[in-house]
Amino acid sequence: QVQLQQSGPGLVKPSQTLSLTCAISGDSVSSNSAAWNWVRQSPSRGLEWLGRTYYRSKWFNNYAVSVKSRIIINPDTSKNQFSLQLNSVTPEDTAVYYCARGSPTYRDYDFDYWGQGTLVTVSS
Amino acid sequence: QSVLTQPPSVSAAPGQKVTISCSGSRSNIGNNYISWYQQFPGTAPKLLIYENNKRPSGIPDRFSGSKSGTSATLGITGLQPGDEADFYCGTWDSRLSGVVFGGGTKLTVL
Repeated sequence: QVQLQQSGPGLVKPSQTLSLTCAISGDSVSSNSAAWNWVRQSPSRGLEWLGRTYYRSKWFNNYAVSVKSRIIINPDTSKNQFSLQLNSVTPEDTAVYYCARGSPTYRDYDFDYWGQGTLVTVSS
Repeated sequence: QSVLTQPPSVSAAPGQKVTISCSGSRSNIGNNYISWYQQFPGTAPKLLIYENNKRPSGIPDRFSGSKSGTSATLGITGLQPGDEADFYCGTWDSRLSGVVFGGGTKLTVL
């Protein structure tokens, strides 16, 4: 059974960096068929995909246009996890952040397992 | 504003059928598979339908999906009070090179 366990602070100051980690059990971040995603949700923006990292003989990343200039998603093979780093945050980045697996069985943009969600508030 | 367009809300009586629409464009729904998610308050979304009309293991056949051109539809038959939730469509957008979602539809079982 795949489980995704999120960790990271729930409060970040404006202009600082939001950092979250998603620990994977039951699968591998180096899977050749899954993809590892970050999605956020807020009342104003709804569900918003932020980006993903995946391994297909080498590492690839895709990022949403809306955050492309300030986002980094990194795999950590030694700990079987992946991370989100969002720089220069503003109150508009306040949301519940989820990590999610892009299915290795269906399409890799079908999210079959999700983390528990982390409410991140951007405020001084 | 979401790339995919869904009605904000739908409602129907227990036992009845309801459909939820999702409208997009050629770069997303028109050329990629659609998926649907169900979300209860305070929980993560759950995959309900993938590849337009397929159900993951454990999803009852009361839930169905279809796609035509640049639109897709989620159908739910035999409505139950426990079906009350928010529903989202999602797919890959080839022009944006990313995943896009609808704005969500709140289902009320009257």
